[in-house]
Amino acid sequence: ETGVTQTPRHLVMGMTNKKSLKCEQHLGHNAMYWYKQSAKKPLELMFVYSLEERVENNSVPSRFSPECPNSSHLFLHLHTLQPEDSALYLCASSQDLRGPNQPQHFGDGTRLSIL
Amino acid sequence: DQQVKQNSPSLSVQEGRISILNCDYTNSMFDYFLWYKKYPAEGPTFLISISSIKDKNEDGRFTVFLNKSAKHLSLHIVPSQPGDSAVYFCAAEALFQTGANNLFFGTGTRLTVIP
Repeated sequence: ETGVTQTPRHLVMGMTNKKSLKCEQHLGHNAMYWYKQSAKKPLELMFVYSLEERVENNSVPSRFSPECPNSSHLFLHLHTLQPEDSALYLCASSQDLRGPNQPQHFGDGTRLSIL
Repeated sequence: DQQVKQNSPSLSVQEGRISILNCDYTNSMFDYFLWYKKYPAEGPTFLISISSIKDKNEDGRFTVFLNKSAKHLSLHIVPSQPGDSAVYFCAAEALFQTGANNLFFGTGTRLTVIP
């Protein structure tokens, strides 16, 4: 088991819909992350949370709204998305936010398609 | 502009031989480098890392070499096994101004180990 679980695995939505992606980590980690991977592009960091507090917003449009109700759960709320937002969205966690060599553990991702 | 580059999108190697995956970076402030492995429909899994103060780190069949003057690192897998067939991502770690870790990823190299 990966230790980081993402649901749903696949999501198709229209541009006017509102949906949420969910991430849950069972590793007792304190930091959680959202990444976006578009076709033929590297993973791009979107948001960083530490102990439920947002630490970084990597210039992400406001149509993406993260929420971290506790250190085990992370959501990404989506509304009025654009076709270019179609991508694989990956959640990750690490033991701590700072300090050297904190490998991030990834979920299997949600494949999002915007019609 | 990409700070971490993997210029070979694919690599094929015979079983039992050595696989060498390469990665170049541009930012001299990176302090840790990591390799992740990704199977289809799964998230990346952490494989091995190296601190910028070292030039080699070995873990079983996997060895990572770092050449800071050339801003180049490589992952050696020996002997290669069919189960090693996957996409390998190179990543480099730098700190945000907040001190939070920020990972920059390459676009990946697809390794195929031929039985």
